[in-house]
Amino acid sequence: GAVVSQHPSRVICKSGTSVKIECRSLDFQATTMFWYRQFPKQSLMLMATSNEGSKATYEQGVEKDKFLINHASLTLSTLTVTSAHPEDSSFYICSAREPTVKPEQFFGPGTRLTVL
Amino acid sequence: GESVGLHLPTLSVQEGDNSIINCAYSNSASDYFIWYKQESGKGPQFIIDIRSNMDKRQGQRVTVLLNKTVKHLSLQIAATQPGDSAVYFCAERTNSGYALNFGKGTSLLVTP
Repeated sequence: GAVVSQHPSRVICKSGTSVKIECRSLDFQATTMFWYRQFPKQSLMLMATSNEGSKATYEQGVEKDKFLINHASLTLSTLTVTSAHPEDSSFYICSAREPTVKPEQFFGPGTRLTVL
Repeated sequence: GESVGLHLPTLSVQEGDNSIINCAYSNSASDYFIWYKQESGKGPQFIIDIRSNMDKRQGQRVTVLLNKTVKHLSLQIAATQPGDSAVYFCAERTNSGYALNFGKGTSLLVTP
C-alpha cells in the first residue's frame, strides 16, 4: 500500500513553454503532498508543500508564479512549470503523506524534465 | 538555515563487507530520521527510520544509530551486496511540520 505515481516520467520541451507534472496517490488519500527538485549529483530540495483545498506553501527562493501547484483532490497534486527555461531542467519528485502507514511519507518515481 | 550533512560523499566497499554511512544533522528540534536509498533515475526508497527517543534500530541487514549528543546518524549495512550500490540519503523531520530535510547523499559502490 501507499503507492505514489508521477506522470510523465520524462518530458522534453522547448524553452518558453509550460509543462504539467502529475502526482497521484494510488491507494490512499493524501491531504498533504510535497514537491522536491533534484539536480544531478545533488540532494532533494523541498520546493513546496501542497495541501488539498488550499494554497501551496513555497520554500524560500522558489517562485510561486513560475511553479504553479494545484491540489484539487485528495489523490492528485499537479506542478506546472511555466515558461520553462534550460535552468529548470531537473528531476522533479513528489511525495504524499499517509500518517497511518510508516514512514508516513511516500515518494513517487520522479519526472525528468529537459528544457531545450 | 540549519541543514543535514554527510561526512563522506563516496564510499567504495567490497562485496560481503559491512558498510557504514554517516550523517550529521544540526537541527536539535528534529524528532524523526529516515534513511533512503536512491537508484539512478528513480525516486527515494525507504530503508529504515528512527525516532529521537531511540538510539538504535535494526532492520533486515541494516542498522541505524542515532547519537543526539553529537547530532550524528549512521546507517550500517551488513554483508553489502552489489544491489546495494546506490546513493543513500538521510533525512530529518522537525516536530514543527511534516516536510523532510535531506542530507547531501553518499554514493555507495559495491565491488565484486
